[in-house]
Amino acid sequence: GAVVSQHPSWVICKSGTSVKIECRSLDFQATTMFWYRQFPKQSLMLMATSNEGSKATYEQGVEKDKFLINHASLTLSTLTVTSAHPEDSSFYICSASLRGRRELFFGEGSRLTVL
Amino acid sequence: GQQLNQSPQSMFIQEGEDVSMNCTSSSIFNTWLWYKQDPGEGPVLLIALYKAGELTSNGRLTAQFGITRKDSFLNISASIPSDVGIYFCAGRYGSSNTGKLIFGQGTTLQVKP
Repeated sequence: GAVVSQHPSWVICKSGTSVKIECRSLDFQATTMFWYRQFPKQSLMLMATSNEGSKATYEQGVEKDKFLINHASLTLSTLTVTSAHPEDSSFYICSASLRGRRELFFGEGSRLTVL
Repeated sequence: GQQLNQSPQSMFIQEGEDVSMNCTSSSIFNTWLWYKQDPGEGPVLLIALYKAGELTSNGRLTAQFGITRKDSFLNISASIPSDVGIYFCAGRYGSSNTGKLIFGQGTTLQVKP
């Protein structure tokens, strides 16, 4: 399957700071990537759809000004959690699919802990 | 909005037993996917289903895309300890590259050696 990689795998930051998480498609180009958030013992919740060269589409209830998404190239999407607070602590996972295919492949996830 | 009901929520079985879990939806999907997630990692794709009625196997795993396109099941035969983890169903609708993927609540599987 296609390889999707995230960085960093974990990050700890102070409340009020901003954190950037990168998602890369390593062996294919992804015009669309998806960002999910997963709280402990819960399922994955879609946050936003990242579109290369255009604005991201956010799910209802997700603050676009707080979770900035930039999909500047066909292999990289970034999620920036701005002015992070402890309630933003979560496991953030990105995914992408090959052009013309319906399977989605996921990155390893990035665990954010806000103190 | 879209909702997927996955059951059972958890299972504790003896090694060698077969396992079955399923998902139902209030809406139609054009793709069903089954994933396994280990602690602290991203989900790993197990099986992909593309059309109603499709039955697909991957080793000891078998999954089916329901005829109504609103349900799917996953069977694991002769379970082994490494099958432990959380299994998620996911349904996708829309176009191939931009369609959203919606997840079920997950089934936590524990296998007793």
